[in-house]
Amino acid sequence: QVQLQESGPGLVKPSETLSLTCTVSGASISSYYWSWIRQPPGKGLEWIGHIYYSGSTNYNSSLKSRVTISVDTSKNQFSLNLSSVTAADTAVYYCARRLVSPNLDANWLDPWGQGTLVTVST
Amino acid sequence: SNELTQPPSVSVSPGHTATITCSGEKLGDMYGSWYQQKPGQSPVLVIYQDTKRPSGIPERFSASSSGITATLTISATQAMDEADYYCQTWDSSTGVIFGGGTRLTVL
Repeated sequence: QVQLQESGPGLVKPSETLSLTCTVSGASISSYYWSWIRQPPGKGLEWIGHIYYSGSTNYNSSLKSRVTISVDTSKNQFSLNLSSVTAADTAVYYCARRLVSPNLDANWLDPWGQGTLVTVST
Repeated sequence: SNELTQPPSVSVSPGHTATITCSGEKLGDMYGSWYQQKPGQSPVLVIYQDTKRPSGIPERFSASSSGITATLTISATQAMDEADYYCQTWDSSTGVIFGGGTRLTVL
């Protein structure tokens, strides 16, 4: 079955760049959209953005100026960079596959990775 | 508006039916999805395209949609169903939208 695994530093200093990678197994990354979502401690889910294997991206407007999502089809991985981080960016970061209905009137996220906690602190 | 509104909490007795609602303008023209998140775990898709249940999700999970409101129903609720539930849809201009989440307590 399709599995996703996030990896990257668990601690990032304020003003630096948060970098995470999601490794996909059980499916080719060249067939779907791939998303990043985050969840601050004790709070709800926030979509960060997604990428298609071709490199086409779509970002949350509230984060757009700081976010870059990229894909490496040779490694079946996609990555997240979030620049100029502050304590407000402390969260569990999830990667997930985005599925879309043929007539584009539905999309959903399945499966999700286990998530990785990133803390922004000195 | 591109918001999805859920009640913060719902309580249900074991064996009874739990109902969680999600309201938002985008549900009027886009399908919705539902996710279950247990403490310390990642979200799991339980409903997609308003009413479809992925393989492996128990039949006691069902959903419906009318107008701008989507409803998740859990029949014969079990203790293991205690979790946070999130609805989700899509807005072509803003992207993926999540509801604020509903904590389901089984007591």
